[in-house]
Amino acid sequence: DGGITQSPKYLFRKEGQNVTLSCEQNLNHDAMYWYRQDPGQGLRLIYYSQIVNDFQKGDIAEGYSVSREKKESFPLTVTSAQKNPTAFYLCASSIGGGGRYSNQPQHFGDGTRLSIL
Amino acid sequence: RKEVEQDPGPFNVPEGATVAFNCTYSNSASQSFFWYRQDCRKEPKLLMSVYSSGNEDGRFTAQLNRASQYISLLIRDSKLSDSATYLCVVNGGLDSNYQLIWGAGTKLIIKP
Repeated sequence: DGGITQSPKYLFRKEGQNVTLSCEQNLNHDAMYWYRQDPGQGLRLIYYSQIVNDFQKGDIAEGYSVSREKKESFPLTVTSAQKNPTAFYLCASSIGGGGRYSNQPQHFGDGTRLSIL
Repeated sequence: RKEVEQDPGPFNVPEGATVAFNCTYSNSASQSFFWYRQDCRKEPKLLMSVYSSGNEDGRFTAQLNRASQYISLLIRDSKLSDSATYLCVVNGGLDSNYQLIWGAGTKLIIKP
């Protein structure tokens, strides 16, 4: 079945540690996104990528890093510089990420819950 | 002013009733709009896109009012399974590089 797979489902981070969240899609979508959701708040965009080997910062990129070496994969690293990493992290993809594709909806993986040990 | 605003609720509604909620947006240049549904501790799932002329999908009707800059969602004959948080999503247009702007959601609780 086509879809977006995030792993792990739950992740615990120790002080000073970097952790990487995986996101893989087999929908052949060009655009991929990482969001953070805190309780009672809307989704906030961390990073997005509209094409392989290119990505842009979203609204809350500080303390995070990404790569887009393959169309199917868009891993997110939560670095030790992110002082408040506890949140629900959601990866999404869409056919395209802007311009004439701006009316395309995004489809989500089932998320990773990150907590601090 | 937030770019996308929703009443957080909760809306407590008896089963079988009709419920409607609105979402206001600040960027008059926004061109595309969506409603997503999010169950507790799950990912958002697309409920429906919102078209200029309004659109219906079964018991769900979405409307767009460009003059007043809001979209609405109407749910008829509500079911227990409709209990969820409904997220309003607006494409921010050129100003935000066409990225989606998410509301914080309206919580709906359908009671038997």
